[in-house]
Amino acid sequence: NAGVTQTPKFRVLKTGQSMTLLCAQDMNHEYMYWYRQDPGMGLRLIHYSVGEGTTAKGEVPDGYNVSRLKKQNFLLGLESAAPSQTSVYFCASLREISAGETQYFGPGTRLLVL
Amino acid sequence: DQQVKQNSPSLSVQEGRISILNCDYTNSMFDYFLWYKKYPAEGPTFLISISSIKDKNEDGRFTVFLNKSAKHLSLHIVPSQPGDSAVYFCAASATSGTYKYIFGTGTRLKVLA
Repeated sequence: NAGVTQTPKFRVLKTGQSMTLLCAQDMNHEYMYWYRQDPGMGLRLIHYSVGEGTTAKGEVPDGYNVSRLKKQNFLLGLESAAPSQTSVYFCASLREISAGETQYFGPGTRLLVL
Repeated sequence: DQQVKQNSPSLSVQEGRISILNCDYTNSMFDYFLWYKKYPAEGPTFLISISSIKDKNEDGRFTVFLNKSAKHLSLHIVPSQPGDSAVYFCAASATSGTYKYIFGTGTRLKVLA
């Protein structure tokens, strides 16, 4: 039982390049989330999904797209990377929103955009 | 608009003493609150939570207190240990009508041996 995994762990991009970050969970959770963590800013929600085939915008969605074609996978895409997207990206999954439930986070992807 | 605030970016405490981390929120619809702990180069991990029907929840050395009238929660760690040195995030959610947790900016705790 791997929990939440993220691929890749680290990536360097040049401005304008594109890439896709992959998140996978093996807990059969309905909800999945993409956050970015920046110094002094905490965890900010980029996009989230409440089930297979659904996506919704979070606090900071600009410059990112997402897809959830399979329940266990949540992909985050950067079509044209910018230096402002240098960050650590975390994926999380959640069984349901209720008291007693908690999000499970992946180990993170560190992205550097030059 | 920062709905969940952690006003202390950092805190240093001597080993064996109490650590108190604070969190304030503005949205009165929030009814479930969590604390996560994060070590460098790892993802956040769940530590403890509290529902708005309670004012205290305890788990070993960790206790979370909720003051709904002040919209304030705090995490107490007693006694603090060097292994508790990490970044602590509080998070809040309104369990009906939303699918999101809102996170604070984090407090870096350093426990000095």
